Amino acid sequence: SQTIHQWPATLVQPVGSPLSLECTVEGTSNPNLYWYRQAAGRGLQLLFYSVGIGQISSEVPQNLSASRPQDRQFILSSKKLLLSDSGFYLCAWSGASGAEDEQFFGPGTRLTVL
Amino acid sequence: AQSVTQPDIHITVSEGASLELRCNYSYGATPYLFWYVQSPGQGLQLLLKYFSGDTLVQGIKGFEAEFKRSQSSFNLRKPSVHWSDAAEYFCAVGAGDYKLSFGAGTTVTVRA
Repeated sequence: SQTIHQWPATLVQPVGSPLSLECTVEGTSNPNLYWYRQAAGRGLQLLFYSVGIGQISSEVPQNLSASRPQDRQFILSSKKLLLSDSGFYLCAWSGASGAEDEQFFGPGTRLTVL
Repeated sequence: AQSVTQPDIHITVSEGASLELRCNYSYGATPYLFWYVQSPGQGLQLLLKYFSGDTLVQGIKGFEAEFKRSQSSFNLRKPSVHWSDAAEYFCAVGAGDYKLSFGAGTTVTVRA
């Protein structure tokens, strides 16, 4: 069966520090991968998605970036965090067979920028 | 581009009572529709989905949803809620471009 992992689970970082959040999927090949941010009362905001290694699409311009160094690994990064980067970050995957596939979500990372 | 509206930010329901969560979407063609549930501090779990066919869809945990094209709606229902149904619920729409658009969510509180 497929599983999705995210780490760390929680993170407290000072403003201006770098960020690296990791997401790994097991049990599937060539998944579509997604990064979302969830702010209180605002639902889910799609940040990045990837349909293959090295293929990253950005949905919202900001100081975050994403990379996909391996088929089942998706990394969210920042060189300098802002206070507004605080939130709950969710990684998700879907099958590559069709756009109608549902997305499966990881447990999330709670990021607090102080 | 597609969009989703969940008109109710917060709903309080008594345990054992029925529940209905509203979802309206905007999309020119037949969309792919989903309902997800999120417990505090957790990821999202898929409750049910609609792609085509029967407009009444059954999901997990006793939930069902009905697709009404004329009303652009995909409302979620449960006949009798349990305390464990307290969570946040998200409606989502896909347009076949590998992306989903999510509503802002509805928080459900269950009182004893």
